[in-house]
Amino acid sequence: DIVMTQSPDSLPVSLGERATINCKSSQSLLYNSDNKNYVNWYQQKPGQPPRLIIYWASTRESGVPDRFSGSGSGTDFTLTISSLQAEDVAVYYCQQYYSTPLTFGGGTKVEIK
Amino acid sequence: QVLLQESGPGLVKPSQTLSLTCTVSGGSITRGSYYWSWIRQPAGKGLEWIGRIYTSGSPNYNPSLGSRVTISMDTSKNQFSLKLASVTAADTAVYYCARDLDSRTGHWAQGTQVTVSS
Repeated sequence: DIVMTQSPDSLPVSLGERATINCKSSQSLLYNSDNKNYVNWYQQKPGQPPRLIIYWASTRESGVPDRFSGSGSGTDFTLTISSLQAEDVAVYYCQQYYSTPLTFGGGTKVEIK
Repeated sequence: QVLLQESGPGLVKPSQTLSLTCTVSGGSITRGSYYWSWIRQPAGKGLEWIGRIYTSGSPNYNPSLGSRVTISMDTSKNQFSLKLASVTAADTAVYYCARDLDSRTGHWAQGTQVTVSS
């Protein structure tokens, strides 16, 4: 199984400041045939299902504010919130979609400092 | 707009079989290049992929669940289902059904709590 390791577990950030979440995979998620990295990012607020925000490492899902961005390739990936808003308080998960069993990172809880 | 809704017992006794159904509205489960998935989340913990079934009816399962899991489709009702046998307290979780397209899980149902207890 591909192991997804997220850091940090908890991230206190002041409103308007940048939040950066890291995700490392135990093997490359770059699919050579299409040059895409098969990693997704989800946002989960309390009592709600996860919401897809980034796919293929850096493509923003429709309707997601442009303060959210994804980057990285191979085994190292980053989710950045450029200017934290109150509504961004949530747990964020990375997921690899390179091979089954699909696996998730342990989650990063973003909160207001 | 596709909508998914789980249904099934919220309480299951240990050693019994957990059975959940996901009803899909707004599109046929046999059309398109979709995977129909099950994911679970124990309280306060992370997400675990259980398995999925393709529109053609071919399933994939998480080996960590061994032979306990079965995912199937009922095309006449536009539903897909999860069966998890021989449950223990460790199977207590919120269970989500979802739809995958192009290597991402873009549509999720609200989730249903299943507790394993005598």
